Amino acid sequence: EIVMTQSPATLSVSPGEGATLSCRASQSVSTYLVWYQQKSGQAPRLLISGASTRATGIPARFSGSGSGTEFTLAISSLQSEDFAVYYCQQYSNWPYTFGQGTKLEIK
Amino acid sequence: EVQVVESGGGLVQPGGSLRLSCAASGFAFGDYAMSWVRQAPGKGLEWVSGVSTSGNTYYTDSVKGRFTISRDNSKNTLYLQMNSLRDEDTAVYHCGKGDSGTPRAIVYWGQGTLVTVSS
Repeated sequence: EIVMTQSPATLSVSPGEGATLSCRASQSVSTYLVWYQQKSGQAPRLLISGASTRATGIPARFSGSGSGTEFTLAISSLQSEDFAVYYCQQYSNWPYTFGQGTKLEIK
Repeated sequence: EVQVVESGGGLVQPGGSLRLSCAASGFAFGDYAMSWVRQAPGKGLEWVSGVSTSGNTYYTDSVKGRFTISRDNSKNTLYLQMNSLRDEDTAVYHCGKGDSGTPRAIVYWGQGTLVTVSS
């Protein structure tokens, strides 16, 4: 099973600033990597697939990068609605696995 | 509008069974993989099972032999039969629509149905 490790566990950032979230895979997943956003009490929402392709309706301030074992989700100019938990997930090998999440909170 | 709505959750004793359903609408159900992902209270996400458009099924190790995923394309409905339930199966179970015929990313998520396994 591929282990996905996200860092940091919690990130405190002020609105208007940028944020960088990291995701590391225990073995190469190529670019078979997605990012989700989950707000409290809501279902997750797909942000990025294929490591770097924004899903429909996702603002351009969200960008994904990386391949192999190291991935990054960057969010520029944070808006109030961006404060949430972010998960990465690999779909290279079954069982598909998620990272433990990064909580992005208001500083 | 794409919608997936789960039902069938509830309280069940250890060793018991439940069948979850997911009613889908707003898209060509038979053309997309479907999956179940669970989230234990206060915890992260775990991919439980997926089914492709061709009927291939996938399970995480902890549920193999206990859970069965199936789909009825004539009813636009996904199912998860859960047997021999354990305390650690307690979670919100989300149904999700894939982005292709094979389970990969989940493009649309349902709000979930809560399964509580407790005596």
